[in-house]
Amino acid sequence: GDSVTQMEGPVTLSEEAFLTINCTYTATGYPSLFWYVQYPGEGLQLLLKATKADDKGSNKGFEATYRKETTSFHLEKGSVQVSDSAVYFCALYNFNKFYFGSGTKLNVKP
Amino acid sequence: GAVVSQHPSWVICKSGTSVKIECRSLDFQATTMFWYRQFPKQSLMLMATSNEGSKATYEQGVEKDKFLINHASLTLSTLTVTSAHPEDSSFYICSFGGSGLAGPIPGEQFFGPGTRLTVL
Repeated sequence: GDSVTQMEGPVTLSEEAFLTINCTYTATGYPSLFWYVQYPGEGLQLLLKATKADDKGSNKGFEATYRKETTSFHLEKGSVQVSDSAVYFCALYNFNKFYFGSGTKLNVKP
Repeated sequence: GAVVSQHPSWVICKSGTSVKIECRSLDFQATTMFWYRQFPKQSLMLMATSNEGSKATYEQGVEKDKFLINHASLTLSTLTVTSAHPEDSSFYICSFGGSGLAGPIPGEQFFGPGTRLTVL
């Protein structure tokens, strides 16, 4: 069945460091791909999305490119801030259902 | 984005008791809502989907008589865990979403902050 695998955390970075959180997926057909972010005490919020191969989603300095050949949707940011500390979830949507990765906690230190 | 609240944020109960979790959308109305559960270091797993005024549709392996879902209105849904046991301890998350003829609209789900349930 469909599934999402993302790198385990926590990931700890210094402010202004480069961020990559890996996400790979298994799916039939043509899923849409998402990154959600969850700040402490809050619900998951949509960060960015891509609906077809080679699309690039971007928001708040974060980017991810839908790579069908490698079945990946890695999240990147060139310069992280302390305020980016949160849990990040990769997800895919296919045949009316969402499938989530296990989440990666990001800690950014000043 | 829309704001969704859950109450309580955490609950501890004894084995055999029932626990009700409320999920409210504070600033919008939605016909479709979803309940997920998440075990430590694991994915969110969809438990059920419900539309206001109709019975919930449960995912395979989820006991509908154990996890009672009531979608009372366009802004309120409740999940009742009946006769809870320690294996029901988990993190429960609700979401309200837009829904078209083909099902949920991707990216238009708004999530609650979750409820941590611990069954002793």
